[in-house]
Amino acid sequence: GQNIDQPTEMTATEGAIVQINCTYQTSGFNGLFWYQQHAGEAPTFLSYNVLDGLEEKGRFSSFLSRSKGYSYLLLKELQMKDSASYLCAVLIKAAGNKLTFGGGTRVLVKP
Amino acid sequence: EAGVVQSPRYKIIEKKQPVAFWCNPISGHNTLYWYLQNLGQGPELLIRYENEEAVDDSQLPKDRFSAERLKGVDSTLKIQPAELGDSAVYLCASSLGVGPSYNEQFFGPGTRLTVL
Repeated sequence: GQNIDQPTEMTATEGAIVQINCTYQTSGFNGLFWYQQHAGEAPTFLSYNVLDGLEEKGRFSSFLSRSKGYSYLLLKELQMKDSASYLCAVLIKAAGNKLTFGGGTRVLVKP
Repeated sequence: EAGVVQSPRYKIIEKKQPVAFWCNPISGHNTLYWYLQNLGQGPELLIRYENEEAVDDSQLPKDRFSAERLKGVDSTLKIQPAELGDSAVYLCASSLGVGPSYNEQFFGPGTRLTVL
């Protein structure tokens, strides 16, 4: 089966950095996505990693280590609007490129 | 460009009643997905369509859930009869295809269902 783990909740201060970890145990790994979801809204795409290494996009960066089954999303210079849930999702080739989501990490940014 | 459109946004029904949700994907997106999202959890795939064909419905509870995408564009998800445990957000998403390069899924705002 597929197993994707991420912390349930994290709290950080405005202007700080937060790192959200995601570990996965899957067969047929074909890439990892991070989505942001504000309360009551649709998930929106943040990043996609298929090769090992760091992908940087403005204040957000995503890292992948396929050998360790590990990814993290790094949020820098936190802003109040970054308070949201962050969803880690793994693309499973063996399941016809099915996207399997973790439970999400709720990030609360405090002033 | 319009995003994924879903309606209604909210629905409250009594248990044992039927309910239907509608989704219109982004124009040109061949692949359409229905997800169920419980509070505080990630989305779980119910069914995936490639054009009008349901290619993955292994997680769809077929005793009470049904879906269709007759012309390969918009789609309807139905529950009949609804149960208390069906209260959740039903998300629709679409993508250009299923290869890794085309699998970025764009989500609609969802329909929040409350079964009383």
